[in-house]
Amino acid sequence: QVQLKESGPGLVQPSETLSLTCTVSGFSLTSYSVSWVRQPSGKGPEWMGRMWYDGDTAYNSALKSRLSISRDTSKNQVFLKMNSLQTDDTGTYYCTRDQDYPDYWGQGVMVTVSS
Amino acid sequence: DTVLTQSPALAVSPGERVSISCRASEGVNSYMHWYQQKPGQQPKLLIYKASNLASGVPARFSGSGSGTDFTLTIDPVEADDTATYFCQQSWNDPNTFGAGTKLELK
Repeated sequence: QVQLKESGPGLVQPSETLSLTCTVSGFSLTSYSVSWVRQPSGKGPEWMGRMWYDGDTAYNSALKSRLSISRDTSKNQVFLKMNSLQTDDTGTYYCTRDQDYPDYWGQGVMVTVSS
Repeated sequence: DTVLTQSPALAVSPGERVSISCRASEGVNSYMHWYQQKPGQQPKLLIYKASNLASGVPARFSGSGSGTDFTLTIDPVEADDTATYFCQQSWNDPNTFGAGTKLELK
């Protein structure tokens, strides 16, 4: 069955770089796109960016200068790197499988930006 | 960015019908989708492209609308439906989500 699982550090220092990995199973990264979505506690989700099935990328313009998404199809993994983290980057980070909409979500990883 | 506006909260009794609205600041065609999120869990897809029921979702859930005004209806509401419901549009770039409607049962 379709599964996505996020992994990465739970605590990041302000001004440092966040690195997250999404490991997928049950589908191919060359057939489906994968997005990163984050959600501050008690708020609505925010779409961050997407790795298209063809290897192209798309980013939310609000984050584009800080964000990079890449993949390793041989390992079924999609990566997120975001630099210059601040306290308002605290929240739960999800990867999602996309059709015209996210149809499957990972369980999420909680990221706290704090010194 | 396309802003999606939802009512913050609703309270209904089990067995009743509830409609949750989502208004977009600009047209999104039929590319409006609905998710249910329970505390500590990831969002779960309920309705895609305005009115299509996602796999495994009970027929008590339905969606309607097009353009800028959309509605998620639950009929009848059950105790397990206590959750926050988000709308999301994927027509305009960037994709955006509503702030969510928290559904509580009386």
